[in-house]
Amino acid sequence: DAGVIQSPRHEVTEMGQEVTLRCKPISGHDYLFWYRQTMMRGLELLIYFNNNVPIDDSGMPEDRFSAKMPNASFSTLKIQPSEPRDSAVYFCASSSSPGQRNYGYTFGSGTRLTVV
Amino acid sequence: AQKVTQAQTEISVVEKEDVTLDCVYETRDTTYYLFWYKQPPSGELVFLIRRNSFDEQNEISGRYSWNFQKSTSSFNFTITASQVVDSAVYFCALSEGDSGYALNFGKGTSLLVTP
Repeated sequence: DAGVIQSPRHEVTEMGQEVTLRCKPISGHDYLFWYRQTMMRGLELLIYFNNNVPIDDSGMPEDRFSAKMPNASFSTLKIQPSEPRDSAVYFCASSSSPGQRNYGYTFGSGTRLTVV
Repeated sequence: AQKVTQAQTEISVVEKEDVTLDCVYETRDTTYYLFWYKQPPSGELVFLIRRNSFDEQNEISGRYSWNFQKSTSSFNFTITASQVVDSAVYFCALSEGDSGYALNFGKGTSLLVTP
């Protein structure tokens, strides 16, 4: 397996523009997580899905953020409109269910977002 | 409330020294999982270890060792004979049922190993 694949690796956009981050989880993993990493707040959970269903989106900063998982192999995180304070590294991760022998979280390489 | 506390923000050691990174966690669950991840300067998050709450055996992997003590809610990480390549930010994380098994990270400890 190629691991968790995120795209793009880097994104520079102007304030007010829409940004879409993409993630392909590991096949067979039934959990998918979106995290954001900043110097000030560290690694914070934004939202996670179980079997494509959003379970907890309490970490989503505001209505400008939305996430979808239309099928087991694809998820998007959208920011509209983007603001400079959204600049961060966004990680996607997937995992199998707790208790399974191979239970663990695999992270993608991250998307470094810069909003100017 | 912070569920995972890594009190050491930054540590600097000279190559070949041993170094221990502290991690204290908080949970009411009886079943939970603890993790350590390494984030080198390149930015990716690299899995190091997973520990189950019902397995308190310490673990050693090469120069790395982990000390899990439920009595003190700690899961400390020791690097023996540190090397420059160990320079990175290390994160301790907790996965528990109360949080739907999402990973809850500590703030991380930045380790700098100098020659």
